Amino acid sequence: DSGVTQTPKHLITATGQRVTLRCSPRSGDLSVYWYQQSLDQGLQFLIQYYNGEERAKGNILERFSAQQFPDLHSELNLSSLELGDSALYFCASSVELENLQETQYFGPGTRLLVL
Amino acid sequence: AQTVTQSQPEMSVQEAETVTLSCTYDTSESDYYLFWYKQPPSRQMILVIRQEAYKQQNATENRFSVNFQKAAKSFSLKISDSQLGDAAMYFCGLSNFGNEKLTFGTGTRLTIIP
Repeated sequence: DSGVTQTPKHLITATGQRVTLRCSPRSGDLSVYWYQQSLDQGLQFLIQYYNGEERAKGNILERFSAQQFPDLHSELNLSSLELGDSALYFCASSVELENLQETQYFGPGTRLLVL
Repeated sequence: AQTVTQSQPEMSVQEAETVTLSCTYDTSESDYYLFWYKQPPSRQMILVIRQEAYKQQNATENRFSVNFQKAAKSFSLKISDSQLGDAAMYFCGLSNFGNEKLTFGTGTRLTIIP
């Protein structure tokens, strides 16, 4: 158990719908990262938040957005869903230390199926 | 841009034997970190080992060790005394210091033969 929790574990929805994925980082971790794992794109970085602020953006679609709340949990919102959005969405967290790159610990993932 | 290449989509090894998974990478940064993550059938991403680029000594974690060749931009994972529980997808990852996002390779599926 990495200490990172994600809910829900599974999500089935229809095209055009909107869903929210939730992540709670490990205790003490200020950084949260979102990744998408799909068959055709592999594991891709979407977005990073640090202590409530957006830190870095990857290949995140405009239909997707995220935020990190004062209690440090994060939510990834996916809207106008398409079949191609079906994937495993991971959240990872890490502590931030000056002059040291910390390891990212991954949650169990949310498996999204868009029908 | 940084890239990670895993050229072996699948590997297999007899139980108790040793296997090496290959990874090459490219980055323009001088300060970076390399990782191997394991993804068993449960799909959980589990850290196996990490290596700081500024360290010359190869990282070791129990039966797992790496061969880090900085000049060749190569980062292979050696698994000794392979066990059935080692069966998984293995992903090589790279992050540049100050830009913490992980870039992953396409993975190597490791099968353990009893």
